[in-house]
Amino acid sequence: DGGITQSPKYLFRKEGQNVTLSCEQNLNHDAMYWYRQDPGQGLRLIYYSQIVNDFQKGDIAEGYSVSREKKESFPLTVTSAQKNPTAFYLCASSILPSTVLSGELFFGEGSRLTVL
Amino acid sequence: DQQVKQNSPSLSVQEGRISILNCDYTNSMFDYFLWYKKYPAEGPTFLISISSIKDKNEDGRFTVFLNKSAKHLSLHIVPSQPGDSAVYFCAAGNYGQNFVFGPGTRLSVLP
Repeated sequence: DGGITQSPKYLFRKEGQNVTLSCEQNLNHDAMYWYRQDPGQGLRLIYYSQIVNDFQKGDIAEGYSVSREKKESFPLTVTSAQKNPTAFYLCASSILPSTVLSGELFFGEGSRLTVL
Repeated sequence: DQQVKQNSPSLSVQEGRISILNCDYTNSMFDYFLWYKKYPAEGPTFLISISSIKDKNEDGRFTVFLNKSAKHLSLHIVPSQPGDSAVYFCAAGNYGQNFVFGPGTRLSVLP
């Protein structure tokens, strides 16, 4: 089955530690995205990548880093510089960059990060 | 400033009745709109979309209405079922821009 796989589903981390969230897709989509969800807020875009070896900052990129070395993989690192890292993180992909023409974003099941 | 607003954080509806979820946007350049449904601890799943050249799109029990002059769209679910209980996000975008999501409305369909 084609889809997006995020891991781990739940993660706990101590303050001051970096943590990397995995996102893999086998949909052959060019574009991939990382969103953050907090209670009472919409999904906010952290980073996105329209093509391999290229990525751009979204609205809330500070304290995060990404890489896109392979088409199917777009890992997100939450660094110790991120002030409020506890959140639900969602990875998504779309067939084409600038997603309006392709319409739909496909989401993974999410990773819940809790900083202790 | 939120570009996409869903002013009702929650909504309760009796099973079999109509659910109406509302979404307002401020950017008149938005010309494509999506609705997503999200269950707890899962990723959102695409529900229905509408482009600005239409004012209505229907898919089974789900209909989305767009009023461009009012910058308002709504999702109608008829009849509502308990399995529809979820958080619904609207998202707006235009060519060359990433989608902007609203904060979501939690729908509870009561049996």
